[in-house]
Amino acid sequence: NAGVMQNPRHLVRRRGQEARLRCSPMKGHSHVYWYRQLPEEGLKFMVYLQKENIIDESGMPKERFSAEFPKEGPSILRIQQVVRGDSAAYFCASSPDWAYGYTFGSGTRLTVV
Amino acid sequence: QKEVEQNSGPLSVPEGAIASLNCTYSDRVSQSFFWYRQYSGKSPELIMSIYSNGDKEDGRFTAQLNKASQYVSLLIRDSQPSDSATYLCAVNMETSGSRLTFGEGTQLTVNP
Repeated sequence: NAGVMQNPRHLVRRRGQEARLRCSPMKGHSHVYWYRQLPEEGLKFMVYLQKENIIDESGMPKERFSAEFPKEGPSILRIQQVVRGDSAAYFCASSPDWAYGYTFGSGTRLTVV
Repeated sequence: QKEVEQNSGPLSVPEGAIASLNCTYSDRVSQSFFWYRQYSGKSPELIMSIYSNGDKEDGRFTAQLNKASQYVSLLIRDSQPSDSATYLCAVNMETSGSRLTFGEGTQLTVNP
């Protein structure tokens, strides 16, 4: 029973490029959450999705960031025209229900150069 | 006031001692409370969940919840150097919908 799978583990992008982060939830988990963690800081909520629906995107920057969780395939967090301030660890988590704790993936470390 | 606030670290304890980690939260209607452990450079790992007032024990870990005081704590008995990590308190708050709000974390170091 594989855990939450995130790829890539490390991603380097030049300023202005697009970053695409993927997340496959645990089997049986229909709730997916994306969090961002800056160095030496806590986890900041970005977006909560269920299949084909964005439930809560209150933590997403209004520009350049988007997320989806299609009927088939992984959840995608997309960052367009990346800037140095986007450099962070991006964690995906899943749960079977909103009242349960999350299982986190290994994260994607994004570095913008 | 932060929505979820943890006692400022870092916290250092000798091996074999009890480590006490504290967390307060702002939303009185919160229902679910969790403690995560995060080793440096790794992802958070769920170690305890608690939903009702009182104590919940799991091995060397005890979570304590007091909803009237809006306070949740984690005790680690017989602390080991392998317990050295950052501990994150997370709360599912009515005001935040269906997501967890995390504290900033408390860094724990257990000295051999």
